Amino acid sequence: SQQGEEDPQALSIQEGENATMNCSYKTSINNLQWYRQNSGRGLVHLILIRSNEREKHSGRLRVTLDTSKKSSSLLITASRAADTASYFCATGDSWGKLQFGAGTQVVVTP
Amino acid sequence: NAGVTQTPKFRVLKTGQSMTLLCAQDMNHEYMYWYRQDPGMGLRLIHYSVGEGTTAKGEVPDGYNVSRLKKQNFLLGLESAAPSQTSVYFCASGVEGKGGHYEQYFGPGTRLTVT
Repeated sequence: SQQGEEDPQALSIQEGENATMNCSYKTSINNLQWYRQNSGRGLVHLILIRSNEREKHSGRLRVTLDTSKKSSSLLITASRAADTASYFCATGDSWGKLQFGAGTQVVVTP
Repeated sequence: NAGVTQTPKFRVLKTGQSMTLLCAQDMNHEYMYWYRQDPGMGLRLIHYSVGEGTTAKGEVPDGYNVSRLKKQNFLLGLESAAPSQTSVYFCASGVEGKGGHYEQYFGPGTRLTVT
């Protein structure tokens, strides 16, 4: 069974708009990570937020974590066509293992 | 640095055939992982290794075996392939950051079709 579930499953926006996707999970976590996957490629690590952190920024990415609601969100600001990809959240345990959600497909049109 | 590489990139097998997928990393990472990705689903962990000579089962280990004889290599074997093993297989290596948090670095994937 999958730990994380992303919402929405698909998102279509125009360049310059912000994209927000959410992730909910079921059990306690050590950290939560977001990955990007371009079509036909491997996953690329975007950002890691620890269970004792509430918000983290990296460039145009902003991640929040609410452990009381077991949820996280990823915001991509001022999106570009190159941001077109699938985005996955993954919950990490203290043994280095990850459990992935099914992903959000984001399409950014010029 | 090549990062994480996987061999082969594509393979078609007939039911009952066997094969080995090779993963290699040049980042000196202790942890290595094998996942499978099926349409509409996220990655599911098959097996993983926390160091040379060690392996452990993940979420979906049945039908697969692994070996980690050298730190830089992690092999995934299918002894008797079944159509249900048609998938894209990803290898990853992991490094421990501050406070015991691990990031993973992924290979490009192997697309396997079992007919």
